[in-house]
Amino acid sequence: AQKVTQAQTEISVVEKEDVTLDCVYETRDTTYYLFWYKQPPSGELVFLIRRNSFDEQNEISGRYSWNFQKSTSSFNFTITASQVVDSAVYFCALRGYQKVTFGTGTKLQVIP
Amino acid sequence: SQTIHQWPATLVQPVGSPLSLECTVEGTSNPNLYWYRQAAGRGLQLLFYSVGIGQISSEVPQNLSASRPQDRQFILSSKKLLLSDSGFYLCAWKLGDRVFHEQYFGPGTRLTVT
Repeated sequence: AQKVTQAQTEISVVEKEDVTLDCVYETRDTTYYLFWYKQPPSGELVFLIRRNSFDEQNEISGRYSWNFQKSTSSFNFTITASQVVDSAVYFCALRGYQKVTFGTGTKLQVIP
Repeated sequence: SQTIHQWPATLVQPVGSPLSLECTVEGTSNPNLYWYRQAAGRGLQLLFYSVGIGQISSEVPQNLSASRPQDRQFILSSKKLLLSDSGFYLCAWKLGDRVFHEQYFGPGTRLTVT
Protein backbone atom coordinates (compact mmCIF):
# COMPACT_ATOMS: atom_id res chain seq x y z
CA ALA A 1 0.00 0.00 0.00
CA GLN A 2 1.11 3.52 -0.66
CA LYS A 3 0.69 6.19 1.96
CA VAL A 4 1.74 9.78 2.63
CA THR A 5 1.47 11.21 6.13
CA GLN A 6 1.58 14.87 6.98
CA ALA A 7 1.12 14.77 10.72
CA GLN A 8 1.07 18.54 11.17
CA THR A 9 -2.44 19.70 10.44
CA GLU A 10 -1.82 23.39 11.11
CA ILE A 11 1.25 25.43 11.94
CA SER A 12 1.44 29.09 12.92
CA VAL A 13 4.69 31.01 12.90
CA VAL A 14 5.62 34.62 13.20
CA GLU A 15 7.05 36.25 10.11
CA LYS A 16 10.79 35.70 9.62
CA GLU A 17 10.78 32.49 11.60
CA ASP A 18 11.93 29.28 9.95
CA VAL A 19 9.42 26.47 9.65
CA THR A 20 9.68 22.83 8.65
CA LEU A 21 6.80 20.85 7.21
CA ASP A 22 7.06 17.13 7.71
CA CYS A 23 6.22 14.42 5.21
CA VAL A 24 6.58 10.70 5.81
CA TYR A 25 5.75 8.14 3.16
CA GLU A 26 5.29 4.43 2.67
CA THR A 27 5.67 2.51 -0.56
CA ARG A 28 6.82 -0.87 -1.79
CA ASP A 29 7.91 0.49 -5.14
CA THR A 30 11.63 0.71 -5.69
CA THR A 31 11.26 3.66 -8.01
CA TYR A 32 9.09 6.53 -6.98
CA TYR A 33 8.91 10.28 -7.00
CA LEU A 34 8.06 12.72 -4.27
CA PHE A 35 6.45 16.12 -4.72
CA TRP A 36 5.49 19.22 -2.82
CA TYR A 37 2.62 21.48 -3.84
CA LYS A 38 1.44 24.79 -2.44
CA GLN A 39 -2.23 25.72 -2.31
CA PRO A 40 -2.70 29.43 -1.56
CA PRO A 41 -6.11 30.77 -0.53
CA SER A 42 -7.05 31.16 -4.21
CA GLY A 43 -7.25 27.36 -4.40
CA GLU A 44 -5.00 26.39 -7.29
CA LEU A 45 -2.30 23.88 -6.40
CA VAL A 46 1.13 25.07 -7.44
CA PHE A 47 3.87 22.54 -8.11
CA LEU A 48 7.03 23.26 -6.08
CA ILE A 49 9.44 20.36 -6.45
CA ARG A 50 9.92 16.83 -7.73
CA ARG A 51 12.46 14.43 -6.30
CA ASN A 52 13.16 10.86 -7.45
CA SER A 53 13.89 7.98 -5.13
CA PHE A 54 17.48 7.63 -6.30
CA ASP A 55 18.47 11.19 -5.60
CA GLU A 56 18.89 11.99 -1.92
CA GLN A 57 20.62 15.27 -2.44
CA ASN A 58 18.99 18.09 -0.61
CA GLU A 59 17.74 20.94 -2.70
CA ILE A 60 17.59 24.63 -2.03
CA SER A 61 15.60 27.16 -4.00
CA GLY A 62 15.72 30.60 -2.49
CA ARG A 63 14.09 30.43 0.93
CA TYR A 64 12.83 26.91 0.28
CA SER A 65 14.78 23.76 0.98
CA TRP A 66 13.93 20.09 0.92
CA ASN A 67 15.49 17.27 2.89
CA PHE A 68 14.96 13.78 1.47
CA GLN A 69 16.01 10.92 3.73
CA LYS A 70 15.29 7.48 2.35
CA SER A 71 16.39 5.81 5.59
CA THR A 72 13.52 7.43 7.44
CA SER A 73 11.14 7.65 4.46
CA SER A 74 10.84 11.38 4.90
CA PHE A 75 10.78 14.34 2.55
CA ASN A 76 10.63 17.45 4.70
CA PHE A 77 10.21 20.99 3.48
CA THR A 78 11.75 24.00 5.22
CA ILE A 79 10.89 27.62 4.64
CA THR A 80 13.56 30.00 5.90
CA ALA A 81 12.63 33.48 7.04
CA SER A 82 8.95 32.91 6.44
CA GLN A 83 6.80 35.61 4.90
CA VAL A 84 3.07 36.28 4.97
CA VAL A 85 2.87 35.20 1.33
CA ASP A 86 3.95 31.73 2.42
CA SER A 87 0.60 31.26 4.15
CA ALA A 88 -1.04 28.36 2.36
CA VAL A 89 -1.81 24.68 2.58
CA TYR A 90 1.14 22.55 1.55
CA PHE A 91 0.72 19.05 0.17
CA CYS A 92 3.29 16.31 -0.07
CA ALA A 93 2.66 13.60 -2.68
CA LEU A 94 4.19 10.34 -3.82
CA ARG A 95 4.02 8.79 -7.28
CA GLY A 96 4.72 5.09 -7.54
CA TYR A 97 4.35 2.77 -10.49
CA GLN A 98 0.58 2.63 -10.27
CA LYS A 99 -0.70 5.79 -8.73
CA VAL A 100 -0.11 9.11 -7.05
CA THR A 101 -1.01 9.62 -3.41
CA PHE A 102 -1.39 12.97 -1.70
CA GLY A 103 -1.00 13.70 1.98
CA THR A 104 -3.78 15.49 3.79
CA GLY A 105 -1.92 18.77 3.78
CA THR A 106 -0.43 21.14 6.35
CA LYS A 107 -1.96 24.57 6.72
CA LEU A 108 0.73 27.15 7.36
CA GLN A 109 -0.17 30.52 8.75
CA VAL A 110 2.51 33.16 8.87
CA ILE A 111 1.61 35.95 11.23
CA PRO A 112 2.97 39.42 10.49
CA SER B 1 3.69 26.90 -22.65
CA GLN B 2 0.91 24.80 -21.28
CA THR B 3 -2.18 26.16 -19.60
CA ILE B 4 -5.17 24.51 -18.03
CA HIS B 5 -8.62 26.05 -17.81
CA GLN B 6 -11.62 25.16 -15.75
CA TRP B 7 -15.09 26.56 -15.76
CA PRO B 8 -17.16 27.67 -14.19
CA ALA B 9 -15.13 29.08 -11.32
CA THR B 10 -18.03 28.86 -8.90
CA LEU B 11 -21.36 27.15 -9.07
CA VAL B 12 -24.39 26.91 -6.80
CA GLN B 13 -26.80 24.14 -7.72
CA PRO B 14 -29.85 22.64 -6.01
CA VAL B 15 -29.96 19.01 -4.93
CA GLY B 16 -31.12 16.79 -7.77
CA SER B 17 -29.97 19.08 -10.55
CA PRO B 18 -27.45 18.01 -13.21
CA LEU B 19 -23.81 19.04 -13.28
CA SER B 20 -21.25 19.63 -15.97
CA LEU B 21 -17.76 20.90 -15.24
CA GLU B 22 -15.30 21.39 -18.02
CA CYS B 23 -11.53 21.30 -18.14
CA THR B 24 -9.34 22.02 -21.13
CA VAL B 25 -5.59 21.95 -21.56
CA GLU B 26 -3.59 23.94 -24.07
CA GLY B 27 -0.06 23.57 -25.31
CA THR B 28 0.39 19.83 -25.00
CA SER B 29 -0.77 16.66 -26.66
CA ASN B 30 -2.05 13.40 -25.26
CA PRO B 31 -1.89 14.45 -21.62
CA ASN B 32 -3.07 12.35 -18.74
CA LEU B 33 -6.03 14.12 -17.20
CA TYR B 34 -7.40 13.96 -13.66
CA TRP B 35 -10.40 15.10 -11.66
CA TYR B 36 -9.96 15.61 -7.92
CA ARG B 37 -12.38 16.74 -5.26
CA GLN B 38 -11.33 18.60 -2.17
CA ALA B 39 -13.87 18.70 0.61
CA ALA B 40 -13.77 21.01 3.61
CA GLY B 41 -11.23 18.76 5.31
CA ARG B 42 -8.65 19.76 2.67
CA GLY B 43 -7.60 16.32 1.49
CA LEU B 44 -7.52 15.60 -2.24
CA GLN B 45 -9.67 12.77 -3.44
CA LEU B 46 -8.95 11.40 -6.90
CA LEU B 47 -12.23 10.88 -8.73
CA PHE B 48 -11.29 10.00 -12.31
CA TYR B 49 -8.30 9.88 -14.57
CA SER B 50 -7.86 9.43 -18.28
CA VAL B 51 -4.87 8.41 -20.37
CA GLY B 52 -6.56 9.03 -23.71
CA ILE B 53 -9.72 9.93 -25.58
CA GLY B 54 -12.64 7.86 -24.37
CA GLN B 55 -10.52 6.15 -21.70
CA ILE B 56 -11.79 6.84 -18.20
CA SER B 57 -10.79 5.17 -14.95
CA SER B 58 -12.92 5.69 -11.90
CA GLU B 59 -11.36 5.70 -8.48
CA VAL B 60 -14.44 6.16 -6.35
CA PRO B 61 -17.88 4.79 -7.25
CA GLN B 62 -20.48 7.55 -6.87
CA ASN B 63 -23.05 9.52 -8.77
CA LEU B 64 -20.42 11.36 -10.80
CA SER B 65 -19.11 10.44 -14.22
CA ALA B 66 -16.38 11.73 -16.48
CA SER B 67 -15.83 11.87 -20.19
CA ARG B 68 -13.00 12.79 -22.50
CA PRO B 69 -14.50 13.65 -25.88
CA GLN B 70 -11.34 15.29 -27.18
CA ASP B 71 -7.64 14.89 -26.44
CA ARG B 72 -7.43 17.98 -24.27
CA GLN B 73 -10.93 18.16 -22.88
CA PHE B 74 -12.13 16.49 -19.72
CA ILE B 75 -15.69 16.78 -18.43
CA LEU B 76 -17.12 15.90 -15.04
CA SER B 77 -20.85 15.26 -14.91
CA SER B 78 -23.69 14.22 -12.71
CA LYS B 79 -27.31 13.54 -13.51
CA LYS B 80 -28.50 14.34 -10.01
CA LEU B 81 -26.41 16.22 -7.48
CA LEU B 82 -26.30 15.28 -3.81
CA LEU B 83 -25.50 17.58 -0.91
CA SER B 84 -22.32 15.58 -0.39
CA ASP B 85 -21.11 16.59 -3.84
CA SER B 86 -20.30 20.06 -2.55
CA GLY B 87 -16.61 20.81 -2.66
CA PHE B 88 -13.75 22.21 -4.63
CA TYR B 89 -13.14 20.36 -7.90
CA LEU B 90 -9.71 20.43 -9.40
CA CYS B 91 -8.65 19.27 -12.83
CA ALA B 92 -5.02 18.37 -13.44
CA TRP B 93 -2.86 17.24 -16.33
CA LYS B 94 0.43 15.44 -16.66
CA LEU B 95 2.68 14.61 -19.57
CA GLY B 96 1.35 11.33 -20.88
CA ASP B 97 4.69 9.78 -21.61
CA ARG B 98 6.28 10.74 -18.29
CA VAL B 99 5.04 8.28 -15.71
CA PHE B 100 6.67 9.93 -12.72
CA HIS B 101 6.26 13.55 -13.58
CA GLU B 102 4.27 16.09 -11.62
CA GLN B 103 0.69 17.07 -12.23
CA TYR B 104 -0.32 20.62 -13.02
CA PHE B 105 -3.56 21.84 -11.61
CA GLY B 106 -6.25 24.14 -12.89
CA PRO B 107 -7.80 26.99 -10.90
CA GLY B 108 -10.64 24.81 -9.65
CA THR B 109 -14.42 25.03 -9.48
CA ARG B 110 -16.11 25.63 -6.18
CA LEU B 111 -19.42 23.79 -6.14
CA THR B 112 -22.07 24.35 -3.53
CA VAL B 113 -25.08 22.07 -3.59
CA THR B 114 -28.04 23.55 -1.73
